Amino acid sequence: GAVVSQHPSRVICKSGTSVKIECRSLDFQATTMFWYRQFPKQSLMLMATSNEGSKATYEQGVEKDKFLINHASLTLSTLTVTSAHPEDSSFYICSARVGDRSTGELFFGEGSRLTVL
Amino acid sequence: LAKTTQPISMDSYEGQEVNITCSHNNIATNDYITWYQQFPSQGPRFIIQGYKTKVTNEVASLFIPADRKSSTLSLPRVSLSDTAVYYCLVAADTGRRALTFGSGTRLQVQP
Repeated sequence: GAVVSQHPSRVICKSGTSVKIECRSLDFQATTMFWYRQFPKQSLMLMATSNEGSKATYEQGVEKDKFLINHASLTLSTLTVTSAHPEDSSFYICSARVGDRSTGELFFGEGSRLTVL
Repeated sequence: LAKTTQPISMDSYEGQEVNITCSHNNIATNDYITWYQQFPSQGPRFIIQGYKTKVTNEVASLFIPADRKSSTLSLPRVSLSDTAVYYCLVAADTGRRALTFGSGTRLQVQP
């Protein structure tokens, strides 16, 4: 099946630094990717929709200047957490769909656990 | 998007059949019902999707009554490795749009 890969799987950084997380579709092209955040024992919360070649669409309450999303190619979307603070510590997950089907599954990456000290 | 309601948690033993029911009273005509499984520190994994009646694949069955206001995920003969959180999602255009996750059901399988 289709594979979505995230890197890094774990990252620890100091408060105030920026961290970039990559999401790649390994065997298919993804014009749209989605970024989620998940806190411990909670459900996934959609942060933004990443569109190849255009600006991302952010969900209400998500700061676009803090969570920078770039989708420069059909196989790569990046999420940069700028000036990270401890409250940004979370599990970040990306997902992508295959092709242009109106039904079917979204494929999810393995997730990236960010810890901000 | 249709709101879903699932039990917060369920317990079972190895070898038993587990049925997780999800309520979605305001499901729309174009909505599909999709179930995902998530292990700790991993991304969700697609289990099964259906629109009406019954769907079966190699890992699960999905039962959907005629009114489609609920659905039941059936896991035959669970093992310890089935311990996970199971999410029921209802949405149209599932291949194009992001999915909104509810609280999910935390299944604990005991030996």
